[in-house]
Amino acid sequence: EVQLVESGGGLVQPGGSLRLSCAASGFSFSGYWMSWVRQAPGKGLEWLANIKQDGSEKYYVDSVKGRFTISRDNAKNSLYLQMNSLRADDTAVYYCARGGIYGSGIGASYWGQGTLVTVSS
Amino acid sequence: DVVMTQSPLSLPVTLGQPASISCRSTQSLVYSDGNTYLNWFQQRPGQSPRRLIYKVSNRDSGVPDRFSGSGSGTDFTLKISRVEAEDVGVYYCMQGTHWPWTFGQGTKVEIK
Repeated sequence: EVQLVESGGGLVQPGGSLRLSCAASGFSFSGYWMSWVRQAPGKGLEWLANIKQDGSEKYYVDSVKGRFTISRDNAKNSLYLQMNSLRADDTAVYYCARGGIYGSGIGASYWGQGTLVTVSS
Repeated sequence: DVVMTQSPLSLPVTLGQPASISCRSTQSLVYSDGNTYLNWFQQRPGQSPRRLIYKVSNRDSGVPDRFSGSGSGTDFTLKISRVEAEDVGVYYCMQGTHWPWTFGQGTKVEIK
């Protein structure tokens, strides 16, 4: 069974940093593109970043480019999101999601349960 | 960025009746490989999103056949042939043709 379990969320002050993790199991992690998607409280979905199987390609939405970094450790079956210079509008539930094998725009077939990040003083 | 516009944003439906959600994009979603990367997601209350349909009309495994997707270019539709209680939630269209991938605002389906 495919499982994606996010962790690392919490309360952080504006300007602070946080590192989210996503532990993957039930599939060959190194064989898939992975993504981060977020959802502000009561709002819609925003696709943040994608990373290729070997980490050689990364894509970011403009709203997080230069502040967030997506990475992965295939040996640990883990996906990460390093978030710096956090702002109040980064407050959201952050989802880890599994993409496809080829990086095509089919979205994500599996999602984690999400981890809440709250940016507030 | 490609803007995805859904309508209606709220959809009260009687159990057993059909429902239809429209999704329009500001650019053609036909990719250079010939595929159209328009996907539909369902988010039930308190749950993570779940993909229902990918590449316009392909149902994901385990998705009931009362869900169907259609459309082309910039105009797409998700149809539920007979709404059941478990279909309550918010439905999002999402384009994966142009980076950044973008979602529609969401359509809230509720039972009358």
